[in-house]
Amino acid sequence: KNEVEQSPQNLTAQEGEFITINCSYSVGISALHWLQQHPGGGIVSLFMLSSGKKKHGRLIATINIQEKHSSLHITASHPRDSAVYICAVPTGNQFYFGTGTSLTVIP
Amino acid sequence: NAGVTQTPKFRILKIGQSMTLQCTQDMNHNYMYWYRQDPGMGLKLIYYSVGAGITDKGEVPNGYNVSRSTTEDFPLRLELAAPSQTSVYFCATLGHYQPQHFGDGTRLSIL
Repeated sequence: KNEVEQSPQNLTAQEGEFITINCSYSVGISALHWLQQHPGGGIVSLFMLSSGKKKHGRLIATINIQEKHSSLHITASHPRDSAVYICAVPTGNQFYFGTGTSLTVIP
Repeated sequence: NAGVTQTPKFRILKIGQSMTLQCTQDMNHNYMYWYRQDPGMGLKLIYYSVGAGITDKGEVPNGYNVSRSTTEDFPLRLELAAPSQTSVYFCATLGHYQPQHFGDGTRLSIL
């Protein structure tokens, strides 16, 4: 069993659509991280959150600590949002990562 | 600030060769990590360090070694390269109450 589960694994959307990516985890955590990786590119941290909701531009991340669940939303999706989105949870000195959600936004 | 710098960006090795992947950071972060990412798979932790002089194994340490003599540098050593070590390697750092910072990755092929 993976400590971090993401869904969906793959997602194709039309430009302008509202996107939701989900992350469930089984370990106790102090914070959860959302990462973005463009094709062939490096990894960038989008959010680190321990409660409630955070917003950055068209991206919104929410977390429910009691339910051990987080969501990443993208409003008014754009082709440049096409990337792999990864959920990561720290435990002790290490991180557990989801396998990622591959998002393709079609113009 | 450069953040996290990894070298080289690409490398092809022959089976049995050795090499060192370099990772340098200028953020004075104590925590540093080495991950590998295989196609279609999530990041797997190879080794990590919580400070200079302290290192520990992650999930997939076999075939690798690390050292942490300074806060800035965390090199990853492959002693006898094997085809199973073909992967993309990422170095990352973590500061107190901060998100992880990743290097651009090293694409390693072993033939």
